[in-house]
Amino acid sequence: DQQVKQNSPSLSVQEGRISILNCDYTNSMFDYFLWYKKYPAEGPTFLISISSIKDKNEDGRFTVFLNKSAKHLSLHIVPSQPGDSAVYFCAASGESTNAGKSTFGDGTTLTVKP
Amino acid sequence: EAQVTQNPRYLITVTGKKLTVTCSQNMNHEYMSWYRQDPGLGLRQIYYSMNVEVTDKGDVPEGYKVSRKEKRNFPLILESPSPNQTSLYFCASRPILFGSPLHFGNGTRLTVT
Repeated sequence: DQQVKQNSPSLSVQEGRISILNCDYTNSMFDYFLWYKKYPAEGPTFLISISSIKDKNEDGRFTVFLNKSAKHLSLHIVPSQPGDSAVYFCAASGESTNAGKSTFGDGTTLTVKP
Repeated sequence: EAQVTQNPRYLITVTGKKLTVTCSQNMNHEYMSWYRQDPGLGLRQIYYSMNVEVTDKGDVPEGYKVSRKEKRNFPLILESPSPNQTSLYFCASRPILFGSPLHFGNGTRLTVT
């Protein structure tokens, strides 16, 4: 049972346009969500996070939206740049269930074309 | 520089030959964890440690061992590696505060023949 799903394996956008990456989860006990970016031959790096008490968090060009009723979160990148081309993972944790566990999605490969 | 260091970066071994992948962090983080990345399966958690001498199973612990004798080190041990453990492994650490982001190492690509 995959509790965190990123249904789009890949996404291609033009430079300057918006990139929207989606993530769905099934466990209603998840209360913290993070996005990581991964370049080839490197480990993932943290991008942005959101707790379940919020529905939006913004950091520069990156915004994460959380819809708890739909168990859905999305990452918006505006404007997209070629350097944003990477694999993006969403991750979820539940403090009340098991604070030590992190559940990751499969990842979405974003390609930003110049 | 704050970092998580894994060694080796690449490892090819044969079935049954015990191996250890080392992980060290210099950020004084209480929490450390191991993940494996496989195509189509994302990152799956193997083991984690909330502090020294405290370890717990993740989602895929079978065939792996860990130890946390010191705060900075969290080695991953494969006592008898098998081909299905061929994967890309990542070590990560973070402060104990829930919701803190993980800091990842650069990965160890393991091939078991």
